[in-house]
Amino acid sequence: DTAVSQTPKYLVTQMGNDKSIKCEQNLGHDTMYWYKQDSKKFLKIMFSYNNKELIINETVPNRFSPKSPDKAHLNLHINSLELGDSAVYFCASSQVTYNSPLHFGNGTRLTVT
Amino acid sequence: EDKVVQSPLSLVVHEGDTVTLNCSYEVTNFRSLLWYKQEKKAPTFLFMLTSSGIEKKSGRLSSILDKKELFSILNITATQTGDSAIYLCAHAGGTSYGKLTFGQGTILTVHP
Repeated sequence: DTAVSQTPKYLVTQMGNDKSIKCEQNLGHDTMYWYKQDSKKFLKIMFSYNNKELIINETVPNRFSPKSPDKAHLNLHINSLELGDSAVYFCASSQVTYNSPLHFGNGTRLTVT
Repeated sequence: EDKVVQSPLSLVVHEGDTVTLNCSYEVTNFRSLLWYKQEKKAPTFLFMLTSSGIEKKSGRLSSILDKKELFSILNITATQTGDSAIYLCAHAGGTSYGKLTFGQGTILTVHP
């Protein structure tokens, strides 16, 4: 199936640990994103990559580091996890035009205890 | 800072009812306004609106944009229980494509 897929779906970990979330898209898009959805359901952009190049880097703690090995993959590594990092993280992709809607993955629910 | 506000925050209706969801925005450098439906997982794309007054329609759902008054509405006619979801409005603009500013969403619950 053509889609944006991310793993794992659920991630439960303790404070201070380091974890990674992986994302892959087979839609042929050249831009990928990480969005964070907090407990109030607000979706906010964190990063975007176009053809492996970082384009958007919002005000995100530098404990969060995205990595894009190729244009079909965008991973998110989080160091020294904190309680406030608990959220649902969505990967998305689109073509690099203003009129191309984003297609989202199913999200990774991260719970930090 | 760009802002998108949706109303109502939640809505409970019965099957067959018609609902109107509202989205107002304050943005610089408007490019497009998007509607998404979020059930339990990924937000799924519904509509993208760029021009005022032109209705976009898909089945029982329709949406329109008013760039003068800075708002959009999403209409759902003859609602079904499967329409129960969070409906998200987002603005795409600024200088970076893909940077969507989302509203807080409207939680729609449709009872049988």
